[in-house]
Amino acid sequence: AQSVTQPDIHITVSEGASLELRCNYSYGATPYLFWYVQSPGQGLQLLLKYFSGDTLVQGIKGFEAEFKRSQSSFNLRKPSVHWSDAAEYFCAVGAFKLTFGTGTRLTIIP
Amino acid sequence: EAGVVQSPRYKIIEKKQPVAFWCNPISGHNTLYWYLQNLGQGPELLIRYENEEAVDDSQLPKDRFSAERLKGVDSTLKIQPAELGDSAVYLCASSLETGEQYFGPGTRLTVT
Repeated sequence: AQSVTQPDIHITVSEGASLELRCNYSYGATPYLFWYVQSPGQGLQLLLKYFSGDTLVQGIKGFEAEFKRSQSSFNLRKPSVHWSDAAEYFCAVGAFKLTFGTGTRLTIIP
Repeated sequence: EAGVVQSPRYKIIEKKQPVAFWCNPISGHNTLYWYLQNLGQGPELLIRYENEEAVDDSQLPKDRFSAERLKGVDSTLKIQPAELGDSAVYLCASSLETGEQYFGPGTRLTVT
């Protein structure tokens, strides 16, 4: 069965600091991996995806993620966060059926 | 291009009442999904449609939940009767075959 673990429930970083959100997955084949962001009262917006090829993928809003098969990880990174990045971030794995992690809430300190 | 549209955005009903949610996917997306998101959790798939056909409804509680996508475009998700535990956000998403899924804003249901 496919599963996703996001070990950090809540992360607080200062504006301008770097960010890394962790994601570990379990999947029986080559995974399709996604990061979504959800602002309060909103739906999920796709930040980036990995299907195959280059293991470092670039997304919107300056985010990137690196697929590491040996570690079953797909961590999300951003070199310098902005106050507008405060939101809930979800990692997901799957093709037709997405399995989501429980999310990481990001708080930005001015 | 318009995104996934859902209505209503918010709904408050008393338990045992029926409720329906509507979704209009992105134009040309043949695959449509309904997800349930409980507070503090990630979304969980309820049902997936390929055109008019429900190809995965294994997680849909069929005793009280039903869904339809009659013309392969819009979809409706219904709960009858609603229970207190159904209070959640109901998300609709669409995609092109196995492509990335695009989500609507969701319907927040409160059952009192």
